[in-house]
This record gives sequence, C-alpha cells and structure tokens, in this order.
Amino acid sequence: EVQLVESGGGLVKPGGSLRLSCAASEFTFSTYTMNWARQAPGKGLEWVSSITGSSSYIYYADSVKGRFTISRDNAKNSLYLQMNSLRAEDTAVYYCVKVDHLAMTRWGQGTLVTVSP
Amino acid sequence: QSALTQPASVSGSPGQSITISCSGTSRDVGGYNYVSWYQQHPGKAPKLMIYDVSNRPSGVSNRFSGSKSGNTASLTISGLQAEDEADYYCSSYTSSNTYVFGTGTKVTVL
Repeated sequence: EVQLVESGGGLVKPGGSLRLSCAASEFTFSTYTMNWARQAPGKGLEWVSSITGSSSYIYYADSVKGRFTISRDNAKNSLYLQMNSLRAEDTAVYYCVKVDHLAMTRWGQGTLVTVSP
Repeated sequence: QSALTQPASVSGSPGQSITISCSGTSRDVGGYNYVSWYQQHPGKAPKLMIYDVSNRPSGVSNRFSGSKSGNTASLTISGLQAEDEADYYCSSYTSSNTYVFGTGTKVTVL
C-alpha cells in the first residue's frame, strides 16, 4: 500500500526556516507528480506547491511564492519543502500528497508547523 | 486564486440523500473536467472520494457520486450513513497549472 510519511515539522520563530521531508514507498515515486498542501488549525485545505516526476515543472501558490522551495530526490524516494521567511499565517499541518491524473490520490498523515515567537 | 465556494454546512437524516455544491469559474471548475472531492474526518488526513468530476476510486462506496454543470460541481451522498459525517472539500485544477480547494462543507447526520 502507498505510504507517505512527513517529518520535519515543529516550532519556529517568525522569519525562521524549516525543511519538511516526505518519505514515499510502495509506488514508483519518480513517475508521479507530488504536491504539498496545508491546513491551518480549524481552517480549510490550501494547495501549496507541485513538482512533476522529473522536476521539470514546479508551481507554487501565490501565498508562498518566493519563500518556499519544493524539491525531490527520486533516488531516495523523497519529497522536500524548504520554507524560509516563515510567518504566523504559515502555521498549519502540512501534507505530502501523491497526484495521479491531476487528482490528489493519497495523503500522508501530516506534520505540524507552528510559527510563533 | 480565490477558493471555490461551498456551503458551510449540510445535514440530513440517515438514509436520505444530500448534495454539496462547489462553485468556481471558467478558469477552474468550468474549464476542466479535473474536479475532485475529498472527505476528512476530524484529526485525519483527507481521503479522495471522487476524481475527474464523477469517477470513484476503488474502494469508495457507490453512494458517492459527482457531477458538473458549467462552473458548478456537485457531490451527492445517497443513503446517508452515520460514518459519512465529516468535512468535504472540492478541488479543481486551474488554468495556471495550480490547484484550488473549496471552502469546505461540514456534513451532519441528524
């Protein structure tokens, strides 16, 4: 069964940085587009970023453009999200998501990022 | 990119049918047949229920169905069951090669 396990969340001060990781297993990771999505406490879902299988195409939500960087290492079956210049409004559970036919078919359990002084 | 518009809440009695709407624009819902629906129970990760407007992934009950007309997509849950009580989100691929989610709908089984 497809497994997506996020890590790297935690408490960080405003203006700080954090790097999230997602370990993928039980599917051919390199052939799938992957997304990051997030959910602020008590709020709805928000798409954050997408990266195609070969990293040829990368897209970001306007809310994170210029501050977040998505990347992947297909040899390690891993997805990353480098988050810089963090703001209070970036506080959320961040999900690693497998994409198939432009649908988000499988979600990880999420990792909580809290941005607070 | 503005969120797609969903009703905040929908309720129904066991066995009834309910429909959740998802309104967008020609740049997202109306422009592509890439609308999907997600179910989220409290404290859990979202689960894909419908993709490509009306297709069900393997393992999802046929009580869940999707449709689209113009810029509005809909999710119908028939034969409502207690386990269907959850938050539901629509999502669409967009003309900017991004995704947009709906505002979310809380389904209550009376």
